[in-house]
Amino acid sequence: KQEVTQIPAALSVPEGENLVLNCSFTDSAIYNLQWFRQDPGKGLTSLLLIQSSQREQTSGRLNASLDKSSGRSTLYIAASQPGDSATYLCAPLYSSYKLIFGSGTRLLVRP
Amino acid sequence: KAGVTQTPRYLIKTRGQQVTLSCSPISGHRSVSWYQQTPGQGLQFLFEYFSETQRNKGNFPGRFSGRQFSNSRSEMNVSTLELGDSALYLCASSLAQYDTQYFGPGTRLTVL
Repeated sequence: KQEVTQIPAALSVPEGENLVLNCSFTDSAIYNLQWFRQDPGKGLTSLLLIQSSQREQTSGRLNASLDKSSGRSTLYIAASQPGDSATYLCAPLYSSYKLIFGSGTRLLVRP
Repeated sequence: KAGVTQTPRYLIKTRGQQVTLSCSPISGHRSVSWYQQTPGQGLQFLFEYFSETQRNKGNFPGRFSGRQFSNSRSEMNVSTLELGDSALYLCASSLAQYDTQYFGPGTRLTVL
């Protein structure tokens, strides 16, 4: 069964800290993996996409790594800001054309 | 470039009714997927369409159906609504089949 686990489930940090969000997936036969953020009651905003052949992808203060063979991805957020407060979701994409989502990490960055 | 749009944004229905939700993908995108999000089950895959063909369907009862039109717009229909169908329904589109998926704002369905 294809499952995704995200750790931690929730995180509260003071502004300025560097953060690490973890994602693990049981089936390593992925095409790619996306990280999203979701604000309360809103849709998903795509942050980064890593192809299965890539090890890293960067966008601004965000850096995502992928270790496909071990079924793990990590999202690094540098110099966190209150505007980063949201739920972060990782989702590998499989050959069945579907994203499998984890339960997310709920992040609160305190001013 | 306009993003993925979903209509309506909010819906209130009663048990037993049926509902149709609409999704317009980003211009040029031919793949459209639908997801259901609930507090208990999280985000679950409903269907994926590409060039009017359903290529995959999630583990939902037959009351959930969908279609895609020649202009890539998609609709999903839920018949005989149940209380448990209350959820945020999200649509996503992508340019190519294994490309970045962009999500719309969702339709919040409440079944009373």
